[in-house]
Amino acid sequence: DQQVKQNSPSLSVQEGRISILNCDYTNSMFDYFLWYKKYPAEGPTFLISISSIKDKNEDGRFTVFLNKSAKHLSLHIVPSQPGDSAVYFCAASAGDYKLSFGAGTTVTVRA
Amino acid sequence: DAGITQSPRHKVTETGTPVTLRCHQTENHRYMYWYRQDPGHGLRLIHYSYGVKDTDKGEVSDGYSVSRSKTEDFLLTLESATSSQTSVYFCAISEGQYQPQHFGDGTRLSIL
Repeated sequence: DQQVKQNSPSLSVQEGRISILNCDYTNSMFDYFLWYKKYPAEGPTFLISISSIKDKNEDGRFTVFLNKSAKHLSLHIVPSQPGDSAVYFCAASAGDYKLSFGAGTTVTVRA
Repeated sequence: DAGITQSPRHKVTETGTPVTLRCHQTENHRYMYWYRQDPGHGLRLIHYSYGVKDTDKGEVSDGYSVSRSKTEDFLLTLESATSSQTSVYFCAISEGQYQPQHFGDGTRLSIL
């Protein structure tokens, strides 16, 4: 049973606009959340994280929002750039060093 | 980039043969992990290690074993490979709790 779900397999966005990726989780013990970006034939690259004591974390063009009551987090990318075209994975941990991943969302940034 | 090297990068083998994948790190991180990535499943944890000779099972550990005799090396073994183990395997490392995991570039394993 998948505890982390990314319900949108793909997202297409115009260059310069905002990309919003969503992630839902079911395990209320999760307290640390991460987003990874993956290009073909490469390993996932860490983007940004957030702990459950916060509801927002920013790093440059990337912002992650956490809504604990809804068990939902989102990643905003502003502005979207061609190099952002990749697969994005949401992941979560219950503080036990292990990560549970969503199935990924493929983002395509159109010129 | 984190110093993580996976070998081999590609391997094709036959059902029933043993296969060992190697992960080597130069970061001296305590924690090491093996994942497999399959379409529709994201990454799923196979085994992980929290120190030399200290390992534990993940979500999809059946048919896999691991060993860690040195801090820098974490081996994943398929004792008798099956076609269902065809996948892309990723190694990851981390410094500890509430620290991000950093991944190698993967091994693409095909079992015919």
